[in-house]
Amino acid sequence: SAVISQKPSRDICQRGTSLTIQCQVDSQVTMMFWYRQQPGQSLTLIATANQGSEATYESGFVIDKFPISRPNLTFSTLTVSNMSPEDSSIYLCSVGDSDYGYTFGSGTRLTVV
Amino acid sequence: AQTVTQSQPEMSVQEAETVTLSCTYDTSESNYYLFWYKQPPSRQMILVIRQEAYKQQNATENRFSVNFQKAAKSFSLKISDSQLGDTAMYFCAFMRPMEYGNKLVFGAGTILRVKS
Repeated sequence: SAVISQKPSRDICQRGTSLTIQCQVDSQVTMMFWYRQQPGQSLTLIATANQGSEATYESGFVIDKFPISRPNLTFSTLTVSNMSPEDSSIYLCSVGDSDYGYTFGSGTRLTVV
Repeated sequence: AQTVTQSQPEMSVQEAETVTLSCTYDTSESNYYLFWYKQPPSRQMILVIRQEAYKQQNATENRFSVNFQKAAKSFSLKISDSQLGDTAMYFCAFMRPMEYGNKLVFGAGTILRVKS
């Protein structure tokens, strides 16, 4: 299965600023997924990122707030824009398929103050 | 829309004993996949086991096995010979086939504590 390097592992940010999270995969993958995990809760899909096309966002998530970059088949970034304390969460990227299951990055713990 | 329900917010088990975590799901699809993931305090999501809906045989991975009841839409996880390292949050997840975007839908999770 793929190995994902996710950065940063954690950050504390001022409200109103933006943070970009990076995920690097050790193999080429078609689809990458970005999730948010609010404190003590389950994972919620933010968007699906395909190389060469715009990301597809789930209900409740918009591109202006969570712009995604997918410049090639091994890399993607998620930006959390104009942050507020409500954005404090763990953000995870994921790749995979039904045959092998899904691999997740180690997560980014974001705290907005 | 697909939903996944884990009705046990927390469970505890003595070391070396067996515990079963429950999961039910709702779908009208006949072809799909089910997964159990483990998330220890390190927050790394770890795949425990997967099940293909068209396979009647229950999946097994070492101490972990599932009881897949397709008609009842039930997918429980049995952990045998529990170890302290099994302490984690466990998530049940449902995935529809490729044509629906390969998206995972997660249950709310069950916190499992293994006691010595």
